[in-house]
Amino acid sequence: DAKTTQPPSMDCAEGRAANLPCNHSTISGNEYVYWYRQIHSQGPQYIIHGLKNNETNEMASLIITEDRKSSTLILPHATLRDTAVYYCIASNDYKLSFGAGTTVTVRA
Amino acid sequence: GAVVSQHPSRVICKSGTSVKIECRSLDFQATTMFWYRQFPKQSLMLMATSNEGSKATYEQGVEKDKFLINHASLTLSTLTVTSAHPEDSSFYICSAQPTTTGTGKIFSGNTIYFGEGSWLTVV
Repeated sequence: DAKTTQPPSMDCAEGRAANLPCNHSTISGNEYVYWYRQIHSQGPQYIIHGLKNNETNEMASLIITEDRKSSTLILPHATLRDTAVYYCIASNDYKLSFGAGTTVTVRA
Repeated sequence: GAVVSQHPSRVICKSGTSVKIECRSLDFQATTMFWYRQFPKQSLMLMATSNEGSKATYEQGVEKDKFLINHASLTLSTLTVTSAHPEDSSFYICSAQPTTTGTGKIFSGNTIYFGEGSWLTVV
């Protein structure tokens, strides 16, 4: 898996959009960008993934730059339940390597 | 709903005993499953790759005789922590690779699901 870099922590206001950056400058052409989150004492929850194109689902949007060296996960309307550690992973395999992630705290 | 399930979610065992954790794929058959371990305030660390019908592949530093993995069917992998010690207390998590992806096939970016995790406390 290509190395990814994320800020260690972020604070977000409830009801506002949360934009989580991820740098993956050494990503290879066949590696997908995956985002997971982990709420305390639970297994990682799948959020979204993509290869080149921007993706959107019921949870979030994923914006991947044209050169694929970075991406942004967007939570459109953050709620207190979105407080979690968010992991950005670049991989072309089912065997995923987790970094430290970003601890996101949503504040009322 | 969950497509990968673990059991038990929490277990407490005495030091020196063995404990088994199950990982099941509910909606698909999984030739390969992955086991991770997570200590408090740390990230997930891959322990081993569980292969149906063959031996597991362990990551460097993981004792294969201590962490026994059995992948007896296409929907079930088990992790047995043998002669458990307090330092083995951790959060154990699995993920599963659908059989349809096969071996040697190009990864097509399928969604990868994880189990809910199993908390092990050794006292």
